[in-house]
Amino acid sequence: DVKVTQSSRYLVKRTGEKVFLECVQDMDHENMFWYRQDPGLGLRLIYFSYDVKMKEKGDIPEGYSVSREKKERFSLILESASTNQTSMYLCASSPRGVRDNEQFFGPGTRLTVL
Amino acid sequence: AQSVTQLGSHVSVSEGALVLLRCNYSSSVPPYLFWYVQYPNQGLQLLLKYTTGATLVKGINGFEAEFKKSETSFHLTKPSAHMSDAAEYFCAVSDLGRGSTLGRLYFGRGTQLTVWP
Repeated sequence: DVKVTQSSRYLVKRTGEKVFLECVQDMDHENMFWYRQDPGLGLRLIYFSYDVKMKEKGDIPEGYSVSREKKERFSLILESASTNQTSMYLCASSPRGVRDNEQFFGPGTRLTVL
Repeated sequence: AQSVTQLGSHVSVSEGALVLLRCNYSSSVPPYLFWYVQYPNQGLQLLLKYTTGATLVKGINGFEAEFKKSETSFHLTKPSAHMSDAAEYFCAVSDLGRGSTLGRLYFGRGTQLTVWP
């Protein structure tokens, strides 16, 4: 059974803290993605990676960075958390090669920044 | 550039009624189209996808969608709604597929489906 796991389901942090969200996939996928999901705005792409140590900005990268040191792991970093980063964060992965690749999603991390 | 518009952020139906969730897309190349479902407190799960070939695509849980190129639409339907169908539904279109952008999806804003008993 294919799986994308995220390190936490719920997380509460203080403004200014450095926050790490971890995502691991066991499907040997090349592509990995980080989205944030807010009511009425759908899914917005923050960053994605198509290979180890490679990363590309999505539509809303400001305030975030990422790290991909191993193929199976993709981390999202909030260098200094702010209240407007309170959101649901979803990680996804897909194999590289063709456009019809399904993305497989993790269960999400609901982050609250106080 | 690719984009997706989902008409209606909320749709309510009675149990047993027809479900129709609307999706229109914009794409500069022949599109690959997807519908995902998200149940409360879960990630997204693929319902169905259109790549090439037959324009009527059948998915899980009795859902189907029809690709209509002339209308740039990919509406999702189910003949008879069930209480368990209550969820949020997202339509998505694939990107151009060149270079490092292979596999990127562009999502609509989602439609919340409520099913009344």
